[in-house]
Amino acid sequence: GAGVSQTPSNKVTEKGKYVELRCDPISGHTALYWYRQSLGQGPEFLIYFQGTGAADDSGLPNDRFFAVRPEGSVSTLKIQRTERGDSAVYLCASSLGFSGANVLTFGAGSRLTVL
Amino acid sequence: AQKITQTQPGMFVQEKEAVTLDCTYDTSDPSYGLFWYKQPSSGEMIFLIYQGSYDQQNATEGRYSLNFQKARKSANLVISASQLGDSAMYFCAMSENTGGFKTIFGAGTRLFVKA
Repeated sequence: GAGVSQTPSNKVTEKGKYVELRCDPISGHTALYWYRQSLGQGPEFLIYFQGTGAADDSGLPNDRFFAVRPEGSVSTLKIQRTERGDSAVYLCASSLGFSGANVLTFGAGSRLTVL
Repeated sequence: AQKITQTQPGMFVQEKEAVTLDCTYDTSDPSYGLFWYKQPSSGEMIFLIYQGSYDQQNATEGRYSLNFQKARKSANLVISASQLGDSAMYFCAMSENTGGFKTIFGAGTRLFVKA
């Protein structure tokens, strides 16, 4: 696609529910990143994929968070048993690959609110 | 340890004047990249400028330039001739070879341009 697409743009859920956030990267971009951004803060790294595999998932806060990219394109971030502290904007970004000049193209984000 | 430090939570600048946003970074890797991204109130992150650790000259992109001082580990963003549309959050970011070139962000600086 022309840009990075994230759905839903807004998600309101109740504590304890399961949530899926989807990211559709730019066609041909092999690298895909997930970040979490709380109000007034910088993006916090969660996980990135090179192709289908998670190259680094060290930023996932706990085992309630999981992400997949089964065909090396679309990725889904899954959050189980949501907590109020999970409320944030979840940003997805993609890039052509990994190098020092790794310019990221971001989606508009998915705003998650856990009540 | 903080990898990227932005010490200015907020900055004001008069329209048409220049402004410098500070960024210091911490790495022992000789190969890394430094980036600046802009995030307007609409929320979407926009890439502004890139500097490689081996680049001899400071990067420039239109009204943006990156003042790269390697020995001091600083990568300040200079915006010349500020415009009202420059009002936004600005994030400094770094990717390191040893980190698999994942990109990490600073806390950001909010820039206000006054008419």
